[in-house]
Amino acid sequence: DGGITQSPKYLFRKEGQNVTLSCEQNLNHDAMYWYRQDPGQGLRLIYYSQIVNDFQKGDIAEGYSVSREKKESFPLTVTSAQKNPTAFYLCASSIGRAGGQPQHFGDGTRLSIL
Amino acid sequence: DAKTTQPTSMDCAEGRAANLPCNHSTISGNEYVYWYRQIHSQGPQYIIHGLKNNETNEMASLIITEDRKSSTLILPHATLRDTAVYYCIVRPNRDDKIIFGKGTRLHILP
Repeated sequence: DGGITQSPKYLFRKEGQNVTLSCEQNLNHDAMYWYRQDPGQGLRLIYYSQIVNDFQKGDIAEGYSVSREKKESFPLTVTSAQKNPTAFYLCASSIGRAGGQPQHFGDGTRLSIL
Repeated sequence: DAKTTQPTSMDCAEGRAANLPCNHSTISGNEYVYWYRQIHSQGPQYIIHGLKNNETNEMASLIITEDRKSSTLILPHATLRDTAVYYCIVRPNRDDKIIFGKGTRLHILP
């Protein structure tokens, strides 16, 4: 089945450690997105990419980095510079940017600090 | 900030139609109305979207008023699996981010 796969489902980070969250899609979508969701809150955009080898910062990019070397993959690295990384991270993809093209989400990765 | 207003919670009896309202009185001409839902600990699930006309798919129907200032999501035959938080979102054309508000927590009662 086509869809978006995020892994791992749960991830623990030690202080000062970088961790990478995986996001893979087989929907042939050009655009991919990373959001962060805190308890009882809405989604906040971290980074997005409209095309391979190109990406832009969202509203809360500090302490995060991404790459888009392949159309199917958009990994997110949570660096040690992100002082409050505990959250639910969601990856999404869409065919393109136009308003009539919905974003479809993966099932998320829950990151916690040890 | 979210540009929509939704009730905090609603109940619906299993098997009945669930009608979820949304107010978006400041919507502009190029903005779409989207509905997503999120079941606890899962990613948001896309349900339906529309611009001006009413829309229907296998999951739900979307009724948009003629002035586009409000809309209603209709789940025709609610089941227990429809228990979730439902988000109504107004999204400009070519806007990259989705802004989720608080949503409506829908409880389906057996």
